[in-house]
Amino acid sequence: DVKVTQSSRYLVKRTGEKVFLECVQDMDHENMFWYRQDPGLGLRLIYFSYDVKMKEKGDIPEGYSVSREKKERFSLILESASTNQTSMYLCASSVTGPSDYGYTFGSGTRLTVV
Amino acid sequence: GQQLNQSPQSMFIQEGEDVSMNCTSSSIFNTWLWYKQDPGEGPVLLIALYKAGELTSNGRLTAQFGITRKDSFLNISASIPSDVGIYFCAGPHYGGSQGNLIFGKGTKLSVKP
Repeated sequence: DVKVTQSSRYLVKRTGEKVFLECVQDMDHENMFWYRQDPGLGLRLIYFSYDVKMKEKGDIPEGYSVSREKKERFSLILESASTNQTSMYLCASSVTGPSDYGYTFGSGTRLTVV
Repeated sequence: GQQLNQSPQSMFIQEGEDVSMNCTSSSIFNTWLWYKQDPGEGPVLLIALYKAGELTSNGRLTAQFGITRKDSFLNISASIPSDVGIYFCAGPHYGGSQGNLIFGKGTKLSVKP
């Protein structure tokens, strides 16, 4: 089974802090994704990556950056956390090519910025 | 851009009842996927549909790929408390970035024992 592991289930950070959310997958998937999930807004794509050192903006990249130095690891960075970034963050991975087989998601990181 | 519209947004049902939810789009999809998200967890793939008219079951869950290719339906029979969660439909968006999935906003299901 594909496993996508997010390093923290819960995080509490202060406004202005730099925050790192880590995601690791163990099935050699080329594609990795970061979403945030808020009530009533569904899943919104922040950034994605199709290969090492490659990244593309999703629908809501402002205030975020990403890093993919190794194929199995995709990090989401909040450069200066703000309270409106309090949310559930979900990482996902998939095989290369069209997404007909779906994504495998991690269990999520619930981030609270105070 | 493309959107997937799910309805209803939420449902409150009694244990043992059957559940129906649907997902519609103004665009044609070649694949429909249904995910379930348990409270506090990430979404998990339940059913994948690849052919118009296809009907696929997974235990008490049955999903259908609409004939027009613009909609899909998910039914749950004889609901139980562990069916609680958010159900998402999804499909590959080829007009956008290399076939990324787009997701509906979800149907939140609550089951009263």
